[in-house]
Amino acid sequence: AQSVTQLDSQVPVFEEAPVELRCNYSSSVSVYLFWYVQYPNQGLQLLLKYLSGSTLVKGINGFEAEFNKSQTSFHLRKPSVHISDTAEYFCAVRSNTGNQFYFGTGTSLTVIP
Amino acid sequence: EPEVTQTPSHQVTQMGQEVILRCVPISNHLYFYWYRQILGQKVEFLVSFYNNEISEKSEIFDDQFSVERPDGSNFTLKIRSTKLEDSAMYFCASSELSGGAGEQFFGPGTRLTVL
Repeated sequence: AQSVTQLDSQVPVFEEAPVELRCNYSSSVSVYLFWYVQYPNQGLQLLLKYLSGSTLVKGINGFEAEFNKSQTSFHLRKPSVHISDTAEYFCAVRSNTGNQFYFGTGTSLTVIP
Repeated sequence: EPEVTQTPSHQVTQMGQEVILRCVPISNHLYFYWYRQILGQKVEFLVSFYNNEISEKSEIFDDQFSVERPDGSNFTLKIRSTKLEDSAMYFCASSELSGGAGEQFFGPGTRLTVL
């Protein structure tokens, strides 16, 4: 089985500052890694995913994440946040054969004007 | 842009009552899923469904849960006799493909409150 740990439950950051949301995972098999965002009263929206290849993955809205196999991490970053980035962010893993996602508990990002 | 929809957005029920949560997946998708998130906890997988059969389920998905695709557009989750601990946000998802690389599209969720 797989599991995901998001160490930060809440991250406040000032507008235009950089942000990093941390995600660590554990798995005995090869996995694919995902970041989802949930805006208020909306569903989970895919930000980006790592399947293979380059360890630096770029997603929507200026976000990127880096897969680090040795540290089993997949941290999400953005160099300059906007008010509209205020949302809940979920890291998730899935095995390369299975269908079910294993999610972290989420990180609530609040961008302060 | 096509999206997954869920109704109702909030359901309040008494313990022991049956509830049915409804989802309309994206029209050309073939794989359907239910997840739940108890307040403050992780989003947890419940069940996946393909070709009118359950293809995978978690240990949470016990006999009180059932899923159905009653027609060509809806996908439902039924909880037969609700318990207080069933209070959670329930997310429906669908995907065109199965397997690890396929993207799952999630609905906005139904918040179930059991009193």
